[in-house]
Amino acid sequence: GAVVSQHPSWVICKSGTSVKIECRSLDFQATTMFWYRQFPKQSLMLMATSNEGSKATYEQGVEKDKFLINHASLTLSTLTVTSAHPEDSSFYICSAYRQPEQFFGPGTRLTVL
Amino acid sequence: QKEVEQNSGPLSVPEGAIASLNCTYSDRGSQSFFWYRQYSGKSPELIMSIYSNGDKEDGRFTAQLNKASQYVSLLIRDSQPSDSATYLCAVNYKGGSEKLVFGKGTKLTVNP
Repeated sequence: GAVVSQHPSWVICKSGTSVKIECRSLDFQATTMFWYRQFPKQSLMLMATSNEGSKATYEQGVEKDKFLINHASLTLSTLTVTSAHPEDSSFYICSAYRQPEQFFGPGTRLTVL
Repeated sequence: QKEVEQNSGPLSVPEGAIASLNCTYSDRGSQSFFWYRQYSGKSPELIMSIYSNGDKEDGRFTAQLNKASQYVSLLIRDSQPSDSATYLCAVNYKGGSEKLVFGKGTKLTVNP
């Protein structure tokens, strides 16, 4: 149990476009999911906490209008990177919380040209 | 500022040896402790969780927790080349919801 999927696994887009990443908990319900970003050779950076049925909580320094999060159901959270720029290129990873542990999705590698 | 500190390594051990990974944390109110393994280019995978003082064993892995010293460790017995990865220590702080604070990770290389 505790399988989390992400889609797409990788995406290449042009600067200025928006990209949506989906995170699904496949075999359990998750009222809370998390979105992380990881740059090469760096540790995970928590971007936001996604709560089903309510607004996401963003970490300091993360632009909520640029990184839109929607937790529409107990098994799905989406992250939309709006007006993407090359500096947004990174490895985006979600996790789903099943008390008391977090289980990570496989990640989405975003490249903005 | 809640912090989790790890020796960044790299830590290099020969195949079959015991690898010892260490982690300290700043907040005495911490309740839950986790070790994740992350292969290069992949996402973290939970390998051990520990919640009370003492040792917890799972196969070749043993997690050790000492809350008085604010210290948690991971021992890998009979290390294999496939254990080569970055190991992330993560701590859940009391009152911090379900959020985890991660260390920067220790890169382990097991040499055949």
